[in-house]
Amino acid sequence: EVQLVQSGAEVKKPGESLKISCKGSGYSFSNYWIAWVRQTPGKGLEYMGMIYPGDSDIRYRPSFQGQVTLSADRSINTAYMQWRSLGASDSGMYYCARIEGSVTFMGDAFDVWGQGTMVNVSS
Amino acid sequence: SYNLTQPPSVSVSPGQTARITCSGDALPKQYVFWYQQKPGQAPFLVIYKDIKRPSGIPERFSGSTSGTTVTLTISGVQAEDEADYFCQSADSTGNFPYVFGTGTKVTVL
Repeated sequence: EVQLVQSGAEVKKPGESLKISCKGSGYSFSNYWIAWVRQTPGKGLEYMGMIYPGDSDIRYRPSFQGQVTLSADRSINTAYMQWRSLGASDSGMYYCARIEGSVTFMGDAFDVWGQGTMVNVSS
Repeated sequence: SYNLTQPPSVSVSPGQTARITCSGDALPKQYVFWYQQKPGQAPFLVIYKDIKRPSGIPERFSGSTSGTTVTLTISGVQAEDEADYFCQSADSTGNFPYVFGTGTKVTVL
């Protein structure tokens, strides 16, 4: 079974750092782009960026560039997203998703999703 | 920025047809993808490249296009179809990729 399993919910204080993970199984992890998507009540679903585990090629949505860092360790089929200094506005549900097939960097299917990682940043 | 507009809600009786629209200027040029999201769950792909159904998706889910509006149709709605539905596409230049629509809550009466 193809699946992505994400790390558990996090409660953090403003200014703290955080790294969440997304582990793939059931497919060749290195050969598919992994995207990260944030969901909040106010802004809905937002694409944040994507990484190709095979060579760690990374694309950020401009509004998230510098706010988060994407990485991957293909030896353990895991992608990561990290923050150096969290703010209250970083609270939300974060999903990783596999991008299906040949990527156009415009409109592509997110065909497998992780279960989500809830991040709550509060003082 | 680039926006994809959906109606906030659609209500339908069991067995009837639900139609969910998604509007955007670039839709004549870009593929649209549709996702279903049930409470407490991740989004789930139900239509890709405007009209195609992934393996395992019931035939009652279909997609269509007409100019700057695309439509997800659920024929013979069942109680289990109650969920939020999101469209996803991109602007015509590629400057705004992987844009999600505002979402539509489908309520089965």
